[in-house]
Amino acid sequence: KAGVTQTPRYLIKTRGQQVTLSCSPISGHRSVSWYQQTPGQGLQFLFEYFSETQRNKGNFPGRFSGRQFSNSRSEMNVSTLELGDSALYLCASSLGSRGGNTIYFGEGSWLTVV
Amino acid sequence: LAKTTQPISMDSYEGQEVNITCSHNNIATNDYITWYQQFPSQGPRFIIQGYKTKVTNEVASLFIPADRKSSTLSLPRVSLSDTAVYYCLVGVTDKLIFGTGTRLQVFP
Repeated sequence: KAGVTQTPRYLIKTRGQQVTLSCSPISGHRSVSWYQQTPGQGLQFLFEYFSETQRNKGNFPGRFSGRQFSNSRSEMNVSTLELGDSALYLCASSLGSRGGNTIYFGEGSWLTVV
Repeated sequence: LAKTTQPISMDSYEGQEVNITCSHNNIATNDYITWYQQFPSQGPRFIIQGYKTKVTNEVASLFIPADRKSSTLSLPRVSLSDTAVYYCLVGVTDKLIFGTGTRLQVFP
């Protein structure tokens, strides 16, 4: 069974640009969540989607947004990029939302903003 | 502000048992506690998950006291390949919060 797949793995963007990251969850998983990992802030929750609806959102500005499609695939978008947005962005999937549903992570997308 | 704290780092030798604790004072009632292992440049890898008392699988044990305000990951007989960063993940109200991470260094 394929794991969580994230694309692209690496990308470099310029300040002010926008970026879209893609995530394909494990087959059958309906919940997708996104996280940002930086050396200074650690792993921080961005948002969670379940059945195309945003269920929860972390403490990030409105420049960070996401969506989930009917096939459970998800995208996250960051607009007006800032240098501080440079991070590893991790996508994770689970069968259902929260509770005892184990969350499995992809390998992440490395974003560098210059 | 919800805090989920772990020791910053731990050192051990091959063959020893390692116990890593995570404090999560504000864990949500219905949420489980999950532990992950992360190597550089990789995503977190699932280790073990539990709700209450003790859970054991082929690689680790997880101890959760009755008040669920903390949890302890136990790695029996660590090897050099266990050198990594370990994170706990818990639900706090409507958010998922990672612990601060514990960098485990295993020496020969």
